[in-house]
Amino acid sequence: KAGVTQTPRYLIKTRGQQVTLSCSPISGHRSVSWYQQTPGQGLQFLFEYFSETQRNKGNFPGRFSGRQFSNSRSEMNVSTLELGDSALYLCASSLTGDHQETQYFGPGTRLLVL
Amino acid sequence: GESVGLHLPTLSVQEGDNSIINCAYSNSASDYFIWYKQESGKGPQFIIDIRSNMDKRQGQRVTVLLNKTVKHLSLQIAATQPGDSAVYFCAENEDDGGATNKLIFGTGTLLAVQP
Repeated sequence: KAGVTQTPRYLIKTRGQQVTLSCSPISGHRSVSWYQQTPGQGLQFLFEYFSETQRNKGNFPGRFSGRQFSNSRSEMNVSTLELGDSALYLCASSLTGDHQETQYFGPGTRLLVL
Repeated sequence: GESVGLHLPTLSVQEGDNSIINCAYSNSASDYFIWYKQESGKGPQFIIDIRSNMDKRQGQRVTVLLNKTVKHLSLQIAATQPGDSAVYFCAENEDDGGATNKLIFGTGTLLAVQP
């Protein structure tokens, strides 16, 4: 069974631009979560989607948004990029999103904002 | 909010020795804990998990111990191999009564295995 896939793997943007990242969960998984990883803040939860609905959101500004499609694939969008948005963005999937389910991570998208 | 506290140490061990990586968590409501391994350029890889109704769980060469009294978690790796070199994260989750699948991660420990 294929793992979680994320595209693109690397991205360079300039301040003020916007970016869209994509995540395809493991087949059969309906919950998709997004995390931001930086050297300073570590791994931080962004949001979680299940059945095309955002169920939980972390402490990030409204510039960070996401959505989920009927096939469980998810996208996240960051508008008006800032230098501090440079990070590794990780997507994780699980079957139903129960809090005791294992989340499986993709390889991440490395975003550099110049 | 509360978070898993893991001051980022570097643990250096000799190949073949046992490794112990520690993690302190602060949220007494957390009832699910998980260890991930992250190699350079990759996403976190699941190692082992444990629920709060257990004190110990074993996998292949790995054991996780949970001490709820002092809110402490540890990962033991037996016969450490060079391929075990990576950053290890502990994470926690709680049942807040709603739909939540929000892992709180520690800061990570770098395990360096010397051949």
